[in-house]
Amino acid sequence: DAKTTQPPSMDCAEGRAANLPCNHSTISGNEYVYWYRQIHSQGPQYIIHGLKNNETNEMASLIITEDRKSSTLILPHATLRDTAVYYCIVRVGTGANNLFFGTGTRLTVIP
Amino acid sequence: DAGITQSPRHKVTETGTPVTLRCHQTENHRYMYWYRQDPGHGLRLIHYSYGVKDTDKGEVSDGYSVSRSKTEDFLLTLESATSSQTSVYFCAISESGTGRGEAFFGQGTRLTVV
Repeated sequence: DAKTTQPPSMDCAEGRAANLPCNHSTISGNEYVYWYRQIHSQGPQYIIHGLKNNETNEMASLIITEDRKSSTLILPHATLRDTAVYYCIVRVGTGANNLFFGTGTRLTVIP
Repeated sequence: DAGITQSPRHKVTETGTPVTLRCHQTENHRYMYWYRQDPGHGLRLIHYSYGVKDTDKGEVSDGYSVSRSKTEDFLLTLESATSSQTSVYFCAISESGTGRGEAFFGQGTRLTVV
């Protein structure tokens, strides 16, 4: 699986959009980009994933660059409950595989 | 929320004793995983299973064994617990082993080896 690089921490004002970047310059054509988050000491929670196109769901939007070497997770209106560690992961598209978690980005939403 | 139950949620055990952690799912997902999480290391994969009696090692499998005799249960065993195995253990499940399937995580088991 491709290695990902994320900033260790970020702050965001409550109500503003939080934009979390991720670099995955060695991503392969069959690797998906996944985002998870972990609130306090709970189990990680799936947010969104994508292959090439931008994706949006009720939680967030995922913007993947055309060359697929980087992506941005967007939380459109951050709340205090979005304070968490956010993990960007790439995984191969076929076969029994697993999720390789790095150390992620600690997002703090400030009142 | 996905039906994943980890037991016990907390355990304190002595060095050298065997310990078994249980992950139970009600989703009938094929894939199950055990991770450990330590400060500064994020989550690291211990073992995973891609079906009944089908398991494989992850990146930190030394000192751990697993068994999956039923679809719904995935057991993690520390044959002889050591202090370095003090950690928070998470179980995860996914329906698909492909990159198109998201994984769901349990709430974790906090294990302390004294």
